[in-house]
Amino acid sequence: DTAVSQTPKYLVTQMGNDKSIKCEQNLGHDTMYWYKQDSKKFLKIMFSYNNKELIINETVPNRFSPKSPDKAHLNLHINSLELGDSAVYFCASSRRQAPSGNTIYFGEGSWLTVV
Amino acid sequence: AQSVAQPEDQVNVAEGNPLTVKCTYSVSGNPYLFWYVQYPNRGLQFLLKYITGDNLVKGSYGFEAEFNKSQTSFHLKKPSALVSDSALYFCAVRDAGSSNTGKLIFGQGTTLQVKP
Repeated sequence: DTAVSQTPKYLVTQMGNDKSIKCEQNLGHDTMYWYKQDSKKFLKIMFSYNNKELIINETVPNRFSPKSPDKAHLNLHINSLELGDSAVYFCASSRRQAPSGNTIYFGEGSWLTVV
Repeated sequence: AQSVAQPEDQVNVAEGNPLTVKCTYSVSGNPYLFWYVQYPNRGLQFLLKYITGDNLVKGSYGFEAEFNKSQTSFHLKKPSALVSDSALYFCAVRDAGSSNTGKLIFGQGTTLQVKP
């Protein structure tokens, strides 16, 4: 029944490794997002896809590569992990990118710790 | 440019008392405003939003928020706080006059602590 689900919830990995976080939504939404929450709890958008098309890329390092195989899935792959990548990554979705009044629904988050 | 400010890092209130969590915004066009709550080690849950119409918006768990255009504010309120309301609250804004990329800008968050 979970609307936006992401896996894994917790991930501890070493610097230099490559890891992926998967996200799926069963709400029938067209638009999906990745947000990053830093250690100070500040939330910032990273990417947005609308019907598998990239529409927002917020100057994220190119070590981060989102992939949307279909509109219900948006995965995040991170190459060559760095200590500063440690954060909580939230997947989210909404009906459409516009009108902008559409509510964005968030997943439970993936806690990434790079050691 | 869009921005949101939550001037208080933490709000403390006694159980049963009314609570207010403040939010002010800046957009170039008309705002779409949202409140989310984050419980420890959990995701963000949608509480309520203002799109248009009545300035007083009612949401989940007894929360409401009042849109004030002249003061560019969207404060979150609840008449009687519960200990279970203790959490991190985020205000967020979208600019209706933007290119409609759907980007939501968040405030820095306010920790609400309700004491028994």
